[in-house]
Amino acid sequence: ILNVEQSPQSLHVQEGDSTNFTCSFPSSNFYALHWYRWETAKSPEALFVMTLNGDEKKKGRISATLNTKEGYSYLYIKGSQPEDSATYLCACPTGGFKTIFGAGTRLFVKA
Amino acid sequence: DSGVTQTPKHLITATGQRVTLRCSPRSGDLSVYWYQQSLDQGLQFLIQYYNGEERAKGNILERFSAQQFPDLHSELNLSSLELGDSALYFCASSARPGGLNTEAFFGQGTRLTVV
Repeated sequence: ILNVEQSPQSLHVQEGDSTNFTCSFPSSNFYALHWYRWETAKSPEALFVMTLNGDEKKKGRISATLNTKEGYSYLYIKGSQPEDSATYLCACPTGGFKTIFGAGTRLFVKA
Repeated sequence: DSGVTQTPKHLITATGQRVTLRCSPRSGDLSVYWYQQSLDQGLQFLIQYYNGEERAKGNILERFSAQQFPDLHSELNLSSLELGDSALYFCASSARPGGLNTEAFFGQGTRLTVV
């Protein structure tokens, strides 16, 4: 059974701080990893889709890396802003067409 | 706006009742996924359809069922509702099956409250 774990569960940072959190997944039978950003009262929004070991993707102040051999991905936010406050989800599609989501990291950025 | 439409946005119903949640995927997307988010839990995958056929099943209760119609919209039917079924139900769509390297687009969700 594929288990996708995210840490920490929640994170409080000050505006301007840089931060990062982790998504761990079994390294065998890896297909892809998706990062989503989920703001309160909105639906999850796709950030990155990562497929290759060593992938690095960037969107503005947010970037992500992927290590499929050791089974983890990091999401980095540089210079956090209050509008970055959200839950960040990672998800792994399985070979059986099912996508497993982690429980998310809830980020709070204080002005 | 993700292009995925879910109705209704809110639903309040009594225990034992049956409800139907509806999802219209993004134009052209063939895959529809249903997820449940209960209090204090992350997203739980329920079921996936691709072009009218069931493709994957997650932690979906036997009291729940779903289908995808020829026009690609999907319905999630929840019956014999219990208090614990109160949750936010999301629908997502993607262009290809499995979402292996394609992103999914989520609807706004239907908040179901069972009283």
